[in-house]
Amino acid sequence: DIVMTQSPDSLALSLGERATINCKSSQSVLYSSNNKYYLAWYQQKPGQPPKLLIYWASTRQSGVPDRFSGSGSGTDFTLTISSLQAEDVAVYYCQQYYLTPYSFGQGTKLEIK
Amino acid sequence: QVLLVQSGAEVKKPGAAVKVSCKASGYSFSIYGITWVRQAPGQGLEWMGWISVHNGDTNYTQNLQGRFTMTTDTSTNTAYMELRGLRSDDTAVYYCARLRWGHSDAWGQGTLVTVSS
Repeated sequence: DIVMTQSPDSLALSLGERATINCKSSQSVLYSSNNKYYLAWYQQKPGQPPKLLIYWASTRQSGVPDRFSGSGSGTDFTLTISSLQAEDVAVYYCQQYYLTPYSFGQGTKLEIK
Repeated sequence: QVLLVQSGAEVKKPGAAVKVSCKASGYSFSIYGITWVRQAPGQGLEWMGWISVHNGDTNYTQNLQGRFTMTTDTSTNTAYMELRGLRSDDTAVYYCARLRWGHSDAWGQGTLVTVSS
């Protein structure tokens, strides 16, 4: 199984600051035939289901603010929030969908300082 | 708009079975797969499996093999998951989600299943 490891486990930043969340996969999630990384990012607010933010490692889902961006290569990926807003308080998860089971990272809790 | 509406909360005794439904609307049900994910209280997300609505193919996580079954009914645009032999550590919120190339772009509201004697 592919293990997804996120860092840090939690993060507290001030409004307007840049947030960076990392995700490392235990093996490559790059499908060579289409050159796509099978990596997604989700945001989950308390009492709500997860919401898709980013797929193919860097493609923003429709309706997601452009302050959210995804990047990465190899086995290392990053979710960046360029300027933290109050409504961004949530737990963020990465997920690989390259091989079943489609494993999630353990989550990163983002709070306002 | 795309909507997935799940059945209500359940309380079950250890050893019992639970069946959760997930009714889809706002899109062509047969084109996409459905995945099930659960979340124990205060914990992270656990991927359970997925089903192709088109041909019924399934893929289950090894942890739940033998206890977990996913089905769909295209006449009512509804997906189902059944978990048998319930244990206390099956207490969780269970989510269905639309599967698009492996990622989940629309989610149900979640169904709390509590296993308690």
